[in-house]
Amino acid sequence: EVELVESGGGLIQPGGSLRLSCAASGFIFSSFAMSWVRQSPGKGLEWVSAITTSGASTYYADSVKGRFTISRDNSKNTLYLQMNSLRAEDTAIYYCAKTVTPGYYNYMDVWGKGTTVTVSS
Amino acid sequence: ETVLTQSPGTLSLSPGERATLSCRASQSVSSSYLAWYQQKPGQAPRLLIYGASSRSTGIPDRFSGSGSGTDFTLTISRLEPEDFAVYYCQQYGSSPLTFGGGTQVEIK
Repeated sequence: EVELVESGGGLIQPGGSLRLSCAASGFIFSSFAMSWVRQSPGKGLEWVSAITTSGASTYYADSVKGRFTISRDNSKNTLYLQMNSLRAEDTAIYYCAKTVTPGYYNYMDVWGKGTTVTVSS
Repeated sequence: ETVLTQSPGTLSLSPGERATLSCRASQSVSSSYLAWYQQKPGQAPRLLIYGASSRSTGIPDRFSGSGSGTDFTLTISRLEPEDFAVYYCQQYGSSPLTFGGGTQVEIK
């Protein structure tokens, strides 16, 4: 069964750091680009970041550029999102999603259940 | 950035009725690179449609997508109780990937 399981969310103070992980199973992880998509409370979906198969290319939304870093470990079938200088507006459910191709310009066919990040003092 | 505007914000319908959801792009979406997702409360989004009109695996044929350029439509021919949810469109023709604000289909 194809599955994505996120972890690492929690309550963090403004200015703090957090690292999210996404464990993949049931498909050849190294063959597909991966993305992080977030959803603020009661709001819509916002694409955050993406990474190609080898990790050579990474992409970020302007709202997180310079603060967040996406990476992957294909030997561990795991995707990461390092989040620094967190702000209240980063509060959201963070979803890990599999892209259907090696390149990031595409739709996402598998989604995890999400992990919640709350930035508050 | 391609901005996607979904309308209406909320659609109040009864089971068995037809639902028509709109997604309008601020610029032409190349090669009809548009997807639709369904999201129920407390759940992750689920892919319904890609390439503007192709149904994803396991999606019932009461769901159909159409459109090109800047105007796209998701149609649910006859609403089943499990179809009441929020629907999002997403374009993948240009960077960054963007989503519409969503349409909530609620029971009338």
